[in-house]
Order: sequence, then C-alpha cells, then structure tokens
Amino acid sequence: GAGVSQSPSNKVTEKGKDVELRCDPISGHTALYWYRQRLGQGLEFLIYFQGNSAPDKSGLPSDRFSAERTGESVSTLTIQRTQQEDSAVYLCASSAGHLEQFFGPGTRLTVL
Amino acid sequence: AQSVTQLDSHVSVSEGTPVLLRCNYSSSYSPSLFWYVQHPNKGLQLLLKYTSAATLVKGINGFEAEFKKSETSFHLTKPSAHMSDAAEYFCVVSDRYGGATNKLIFGTGTLLAVQP
Repeated sequence: GAGVSQSPSNKVTEKGKDVELRCDPISGHTALYWYRQRLGQGLEFLIYFQGNSAPDKSGLPSDRFSAERTGESVSTLTIQRTQQEDSAVYLCASSAGHLEQFFGPGTRLTVL
Repeated sequence: AQSVTQLDSHVSVSEGTPVLLRCNYSSSYSPSLFWYVQHPNKGLQLLLKYTSAATLVKGINGFEAEFKKSETSFHLTKPSAHMSDAAEYFCVVSDRYGGATNKLIFGTGTLLAVQP
C-alpha cells in the first residue's frame, strides 16, 4: 500500500511483559516519528529519526522505552516491563524531510 | 516553547449549519500550524496547514482556517456541516525552530458532533 502501516493493530499484554510495535513508513520518506495518544488526549511526541542522523529521543518517557530504525525503512518501538500507564495508542508518522507528516492507523496497546 | 490550546473539548452542530473550532497558539516565532482530523478507528489526516504564506488557508472537505497573529488564533471553520464531518479535530503546531526535529505538538482535541 501507499500509506504508513503499523502492526499489530491491537496488542493486549500483561503488566511486566515486553512489547514490540512495528512501523513501515512510506517508501522514500527519510523522517519517521513515534507518538503516543492516551485516552481523551492529544498526541505526545516520543522519538524522531531522520536519515542516518542520531535520533531525537527527547520525548521518551522512561528508559523502558526504546526505538530503532533500519536505514530509512522499518522502525520498531520497544516497551520493556510494561506498566498500566503505558496503555495508549501508539502512532507512527513519516515525512519527506520537514514536510507534511503522514500517520499510520496506530497500535492500540492495553496493559492488564 | 510552542503550544496550542483548543478552547472547546466538544462542539455540537446541526447538519447544514456553520462549524467553528477554536484554537489559540503560543510561539516565540512565526509558527507552522496545522489542523488534523481523526475519524473513529481511522488514522490522522491533515486538513490544512499554515506555513507563513497566505493567512487564510483552505483545506480539504470545505474547511478553512485563518491565521491571526494579533489574536494568536488559528480557528477552523466550515460554512455548512455534513454528517461525515463528525470526528475529532486536533490543532497542531510544529516545533522546529532552531532544531532539526519537526515534532508536532498537539492540542487536546475537539470532538465535533453533527446532529441530523
């Protein structure tokens, strides 16, 4: 497809388990972003990748959160030892440089 | 630091009547501003963007927004609401000045309901 895809669409996990969320950006987009949307709130920036530059991790809420990106393709967001407050929709976006960001459908994470 | 405030968490209008969703921004420099829409169980979609060109910005689906520096506002309007406009709308500012990251800063959202 032509858009940003994310998997899984839904993830239910138990407190303390690790989860891995995947984002496939639009082909050719050099920039990739992760955001978190808690219930009833706007999006919070988590992390930004731009080409081969060092990522901007300033939005990651704790050291339990990490993300990787392979070149200018797939990215994975990993949450270790999940807590109930991690329950949210995790959204990925990509853009061609500093232009419009295109969002994926999100992964809804529920931590029991 | 950049921020946006959406003044109404919920707005309800009748089909065919005008829509006004209010947004005020705070920025120490000329901002880039956006409106995104999120329909239930769908991804965020860009409605329109302001990037220091014309102050009246036209977007998709008949929506418009006017950048008013004197009022630090970027309200979203539509002359006539349609049932399909029911969704959540986010006012967004880009935090990019002086840095490479083009992270978006979202407002808390306005849920628009359209009554038949």
